[in-house]
Amino acid sequence: EIVLTQSPVTLSLSPGERATLSCRASQSVSSSLGWYQQKPGQAPRLLIYDASNRATGIPARFSGSGSGTDFTLTISSLEPEDFAVYYCQHRSNWPPTFGQGTKVEIK
Amino acid sequence: EVQLLESGGGLVQPGGSLRLSCAASGFTFNNFDMTWVRQAPGKGLEWVSTIGTTSITYYADSVKGRFTISRDNSKNTMYLQMNSLSAEDTAVYFCAKGVYQGWFDPWGQGILVTVS
Repeated sequence: EIVLTQSPVTLSLSPGERATLSCRASQSVSSSLGWYQQKPGQAPRLLIYDASNRATGIPARFSGSGSGTDFTLTISSLEPEDFAVYYCQHRSNWPPTFGQGTKVEIK
Repeated sequence: EVQLLESGGGLVQPGGSLRLSCAASGFTFNNFDMTWVRQAPGKGLEWVSTIGTTSITYYADSVKGRFTISRDNSKNTMYLQMNSLSAEDTAVYFCAKGVYQGWFDPWGQGILVTVS
């Protein structure tokens, strides 16, 4: 199975700052990479699919890039509601797998 | 509005069984893949199983042979029959609708399964 490794584990930033999260795949997943946001006590929410497409209703401050094995989720200017855990996931083949998550916390 | 509501969780002894249900509304259920994802306490997300619109099924190796996913399109409901449960199966189980050809969104609120 494809292993996804996210970095950093924790990102400490202030509101208004730019967040850059990384996801690296153990083998190429082409552009079949997505990002989810999960807040405490809530279900995950799809942010980005197919590497760079925003899901319905997702603000423009969220953007995704990359292909092959290296991917990035960028939050251009952090809002208070963006502090959460972010997971990447691939759908290149079965089984789909998730990264271990990056926690974006308030500095 | 799409809504997914899980039920059937709870406390079960090791070796026991449990059946989870996911009741769907707000969309044409039989047109979409459906998936179970679980999250152990304080841990990350783990894909468990997916059932396609033709009822083709996929399982994680960790549950293959023990869990069975199914769907009843007449009831807009998906199920997860879980047998031979162990402590490693303790988790919140989320159901999710397939979207954009292979992604999971939205998700239900989750249901806790505790094996102890």
